[in-house]
Amino acid sequence: GENVEQHPSTLSVQEGDSAVIKCTYSDSASNYFPWYKQELGKGPQLIIDIRSNVGEKKDQRIAVTLNKTAKHFSLHITETQPEDSAVYFCAASTWTGTALIFGKGTTLSVSS
Amino acid sequence: EAQVTQNPRYLITVTGKKLTVTCSQNMNHEYMSWYRQDPGLGLRQIYYSMNVEVTDKGDVPEGYKVSRKEKRNFPLILESPSPNQTSLYFCASSTENSNQPQHFGDGTRLSIL
Repeated sequence: GENVEQHPSTLSVQEGDSAVIKCTYSDSASNYFPWYKQELGKGPQLIIDIRSNVGEKKDQRIAVTLNKTAKHFSLHITETQPEDSAVYFCAASTWTGTALIFGKGTTLSVSS
Repeated sequence: EAQVTQNPRYLITVTGKKLTVTCSQNMNHEYMSWYRQDPGLGLRQIYYSMNVEVTDKGDVPEGYKVSRKEKRNFPLILESPSPNQTSLYFCASSTENSNQPQHFGDGTRLSIL
């Protein structure tokens, strides 16, 4: 079955710097890759997603890139702000559409 | 407001005492699922439902049951809870399946003593 690995597990940056989180997946049939942000005491919230027919997608300060050949995708956050501090999860949807397989998460800390 | 509502948010109980965690969504979504979140392990799927009366096991179904009698509700049942089921639980829903954006509830923290 699908397996998703996520790195790094923790990331500390200064306000205004960029942050990059990387994920790899194992099943080449997977075609949907969302990213979730989880704040303390809350459920994961979708921040951006990408499908396998697209190489890159941007939404203001957030971008995701997908390399199908290498089976990896990355989250890029530019001009980080303290409110970006949270746990970020990448995920890959199984080709059957029955489950999201999550990475283990990255705790991002943005200091001002 | 579109939302997924879980109850209770917190529960401390004892081994063997049956409990139910409710999940309700108001978006007319067909797909619903349950995940558990444990430190260092991320989120793992327990059960999912593609539509009313259609449920199936996820990666970690042992010790859990679910039902989907109505489209909006997807309760998680622990018939005989054990300490290894102490965890943070999330319910999620989407329009059709896991290839669409998932809407998550705010979680239920269960402690089984």
